[in-house]
Amino acid sequence: ILNVEQSPQSLHVQEGDSTNFTCSFPSSNFYALHWYRWETAKSPEALFVMTLNGDEKKKGRISATLNTKEGYSYLYIKGSQPEDSATYLCAPITGGFKTIFGAGTRLFVKA
Amino acid sequence: NAGVTQTPKFRVLKTGQSMTLLCAQDMNHEYMYWYRQDPGMGLRLIHYSVGEGTTAKGEVPDGYNVSRLKKQNFLLGLESAAPSQTSVYFCASRLPPRTSGGAGYTGELFFGEGSRLTVL
Repeated sequence: ILNVEQSPQSLHVQEGDSTNFTCSFPSSNFYALHWYRWETAKSPEALFVMTLNGDEKKKGRISATLNTKEGYSYLYIKGSQPEDSATYLCAPITGGFKTIFGAGTRLFVKA
Repeated sequence: NAGVTQTPKFRVLKTGQSMTLLCAQDMNHEYMYWYRQDPGMGLRLIHYSVGEGTTAKGEVPDGYNVSRLKKQNFLLGLESAAPSQTSVYFCASRLPPRTSGGAGYTGELFFGEGSRLTVL
């Protein structure tokens, strides 16, 4: 079973703070990595799909980087807003079939 | 454009009862998945299917069975419900990956709205 670790488990920040979280995964047989944003009482939605070592993706104030050789990805949020409060999930894809998620980082942004 | 639809949205069962959750997708996706959401554990994969007529076990398959008789539908069955199966269940689907990754690969999951199951 693929071991996917996300840290921290939860994070409380003030509005305007910048923050980042980590997703660690086994680097062997890497295919792609997905980041999802999951708001309470809703379904997860894809944020980024990353495939290449050194990849950097950006969507508004949120960006992500990928290091496939050492097996980690960082998600950054610049100037956090209350609407960024959600659980952020990562899911590395190996072998193309299973999609196994990390336990997620739950972000709380206080106004 | 319905995407991924799960039925029922809510259900309360007594221990030992059986039930089936239905997932339907209209995006012609090959791969379909059933996950359960538990506090502090994110999403855990129960079973998945890579095509019509095929199923495979995920991380937590015990107590569940699945069937994929039609490409657009993926059914999750509980033969004898237990309180430990109280959870929110999510179905998801996606296209198969290309033969290699690289630029242009997407393959992200599209989720249903979830089904909340309570077993008393």
